[in-house]
Amino acid sequence: QSVLTQSPSASATPGQRVTISCSGSSSNIGSNYVYWYQQLPGTAPKLLIYTNNQRPSGVPDRFSGSKSGTSASLAISGLRSEDEADYYCAAWDDSLSGWVFGGGTKVTVL
Amino acid sequence: QVQLVESGGGVVQPGRSLRLSCAASGFTFSTYGMHWVRQAPGKGLEWVGVISYDESNKYYADSVKGRFTISRDNSKDTLYLQMNSLRAEDTAVYYCAKTRITGTSTFPIGGWGQGTLVTVSS
Repeated sequence: QSVLTQSPSASATPGQRVTISCSGSSSNIGSNYVYWYQQLPGTAPKLLIYTNNQRPSGVPDRFSGSKSGTSASLAISGLRSEDEADYYCAAWDDSLSGWVFGGGTKVTVL
Repeated sequence: QVQLVESGGGVVQPGRSLRLSCAASGFTFSTYGMHWVRQAPGKGLEWVGVISYDESNKYYADSVKGRFTISRDNSKDTLYLQMNSLRAEDTAVYYCAKTRITGTSTFPIGGWGQGTLVTVSS
């Protein structure tokens, strides 16, 4: 059971928008930044969004992050086939003194 | 560019020990905190622990506390994970990862290595 809660799957057709949610608590998302990681099939995770809504260089602006209270979300607009992957949210947890991850959301491009 | 290369994985019997290494290059290793994160087959990511740049701070997940130890050798740009009293549930791909920035107390996870597989089985 993950500390952060994500829906296990999401899907949309190419060109559409898909949104992934991540729910936490006051000790993690509520008081710290949220990070998002993309894991393509058979590969290592890659940083997608940092400090709630910032994109590392090289990440397309189709990916955007937001946070409100103890929840966060990742939106992918103009969905493309190469976006098919698992997406994980993560944050530092002050009570646990460690990092916590969501269970991951598998995005399928129909 | 940043490169992290894990090694030392393999098959080990329950109750035995194993040490993983992570060779770093492309950045000033001695100034960054470093993490270990694992992923059981077909499962999600699980944070294992983090070590500060100077080893003054170490934090572990409850699932490995007292059994796993993270250390580093800044003269060799290498991170280690000593795993003792291994259990079947420790079977996973183990990734090392660097913090995204220096000088932070929450050690945000940035770049990742490719991982090494540890299988605990008799």
